[in-house]
Amino acid sequence: AQKVTQAQTEISVVEKEDVTLDCVYETRDTTYYLFWYKQPPSGELVFLIRRNSFDEQNEISGRYSWNFQKSTSSFNFTITASQVVDSAVYFCALEYGNKLVFGAGTILRVKS
Amino acid sequence: EAGVAQSPRYKIIEKRQSVAFWCNPISGHATLYWYQQILGQGPKLLIQFQNNGVVDDSQLPKDRFSAERLKGVDSTLKIQPAKLEDSAVYLCASSLPSPEQFFGPGTRLTVL
Repeated sequence: AQKVTQAQTEISVVEKEDVTLDCVYETRDTTYYLFWYKQPPSGELVFLIRRNSFDEQNEISGRYSWNFQKSTSSFNFTITASQVVDSAVYFCALEYGNKLVFGAGTILRVKS
Repeated sequence: EAGVAQSPRYKIIEKRQSVAFWCNPISGHATLYWYQQILGQGPKLLIQFQNNGVVDDSQLPKDRFSAERLKGVDSTLKIQPAKLEDSAVYLCASSLPSPEQFFGPGTRLTVL
């Protein structure tokens, strides 16, 4: 069965600190996609990144970077020099058959 | 390009009452999803439509929940009768034939 685990329930950091959000997944499929979504207080899920199972290259987009390691079934997300606007709930998700399975989410609080 | 629209944004009802939510997906998106997000949890898929046909409704509590997507465009989700445990945010998402889903702002339902 497909499963996503985000072990960190809540993280608090001070502005400008780096922070890493962990994501571990389980699947028997050989082809799948992994996602990160951001959910600000407004409630809408905002797409951040999609990664397919054949592409283990790390990706950087501005202050965001993602580390995908199939050997440990992990897809971690790092925010460099965090800002107050990064405060939100972040979800990792696994796609199979055009369906998404979400982790429980990590609440990130960035204090000024 | 307009995003996924949902209404109402908030709804408060008494238990045993009925309620309906509406979703209009992004134009041209064939696949539409309804998710339930209980406070402190990740979204959970309730039902998936491909055009106006149901692809997956295995997690929809069919004794009280129903959904339709007439004409393959907008969709309604109904709960009748509502229970206290139905209090949640109901998210609608849509996608092309691709793994990436775009989410609406959600409807926050409170059942008293």
